[in-house]
Amino acid sequence: GAGVSQTPSNKVTEKGKYVELRCDPISGHTALYWYRQSLGQGPEFLIYFQGTGAADDSGLPNDRFFAVRPEGSVSTLKIQRTERGDSAVYLCASSPTSGEQFFGPGTRLTVL
Amino acid sequence: KQEVTQIPAALSVPEGENLVLNCSFTDSAIYNLQWFRQDPGKGLTSLLLIQSSQREQTSGRLNASLDKSSGRSTLYIAASQPGDSATYLCAVRRLGGTYKYIFGTGTRLKVLA
Repeated sequence: GAGVSQTPSNKVTEKGKYVELRCDPISGHTALYWYRQSLGQGPEFLIYFQGTGAADDSGLPNDRFFAVRPEGSVSTLKIQRTERGDSAVYLCASSPTSGEQFFGPGTRLTVL
Repeated sequence: KQEVTQIPAALSVPEGENLVLNCSFTDSAIYNLQWFRQDPGKGLTSLLLIQSSQREQTSGRLNASLDKSSGRSTLYIAASQPGDSATYLCAVRRLGGTYKYIFGTGTRLKVLA
């Protein structure tokens, strides 16, 4: 079946703008994760959804970052008033109850 | 606070060699540990998932072991091939009501033909 998909694959924006990044998980996976990865680093946890609710948002760096998953499937990561330090690859992963994570290809965000 | 370390940061080996990648974690109270590979500019591909009650998992030429008491996991790759060249990452999830995974910084492997 289809894997995790993320759109857009690349996003270039200007400092101060608002961006939305989308994740389509594998069908039937109830768990969904967002991570951020900077060059040469491992992914950094941002938020975890179980169904529609954010079960753990302890990794969101500040209140400019917000994520939703209104119907328990597609998720959107929203970043307000973007800063140059937000530039990174944003990765989404979904998981069945087994816990194994399946990652999407990521969205490369560049804030100019 | 859980910290995950992977040593070495980079490794070059000739084709056909057996090799071991290391992952160390500071808090032994883990729920599971997962190994991934990441190709340049791509997302992560799951290789092996080890639950806390398991000692090892195998898939093809890959074998991952887990020693919680010493805070270590190793990924063994047998008969390495140039196609194995990638960055290998490990991630741990702590016990006790959290779903947060902590990743190491990875080992960048190059297998020379």
